Amino acid sequence: QVQLVQSGAEVKKPGASVTVSCKASGYSFTTYDLNWVRQAPGKGLEWVGCMYPNGGTGHAQNFEGRVTMTRNTAMSTAYLELTNLTSEDTAVYYCTRGHRVAAGMFPSYYFDFWGQGTLVTVSS
Amino acid sequence: QSVLTQPPSASATPGQRVTIHCSGSSSNIGSNTVNWYQQLPGTAPRLLMYSDTQRPSGVPDRFSGSKSGTSASLAISGLQSEDEGEYFCGTWDDRLNGVVFGGGTKLTVL
Repeated sequence: QVQLVQSGAEVKKPGASVTVSCKASGYSFTTYDLNWVRQAPGKGLEWVGCMYPNGGTGHAQNFEGRVTMTRNTAMSTAYLELTNLTSEDTAVYYCTRGHRVAAGMFPSYYFDFWGQGTLVTVSS
Repeated sequence: QSVLTQPPSASATPGQRVTIHCSGSSSNIGSNTVNWYQQLPGTAPRLLMYSDTQRPSGVPDRFSGSKSGTSASLAISGLQSEDEGEYFCGTWDDRLNGVVFGGGTKLTVL
């Protein structure tokens, strides 16, 4: 079965960087997109970015210059690095598999499996 | 402020039907299919509905989805206490070139 298992909680000081990992199993790791979504305490979901099967990446404009997504295909593990952290980056970060379907009148893109989440706390 | 608009809360009694609406624009809902995610307290989101109307394996047929123009809806019939949680709509946005979500609707089963 498909599983996404994330690294443990992190506590960082403002200005620092954090790296969260996501180990995939149960499917071909390089066949699907791997997305990152975050959720601040008591808030909604916010898309951070995506690593595509070809290794290319895309991210939300809010994270321009601060986000790096990488992967180790031999270990089926994806990584999210976020730099220059502020208190507003305090959130649970989820990795999630992106499923793209081109058939039909409209394109379809959805997140079918999610990791358990990694709490990143930014505090001085 | 979320790109997609949802009511912040909804409530109903067990057995009733409740509908949650999600409003967007031509660059997102108007040109892509809509998905719904259920987040029960203390857990990660779970895919509840995809491609406007499709239920993943394991999701009961009490849940149904629809879309018209730039709006979408999630209906839950035969409401149960275990349905209490938060529901998010999401889709791709062609203008922003990324995924956008609604702010979430907290469902309370009275």
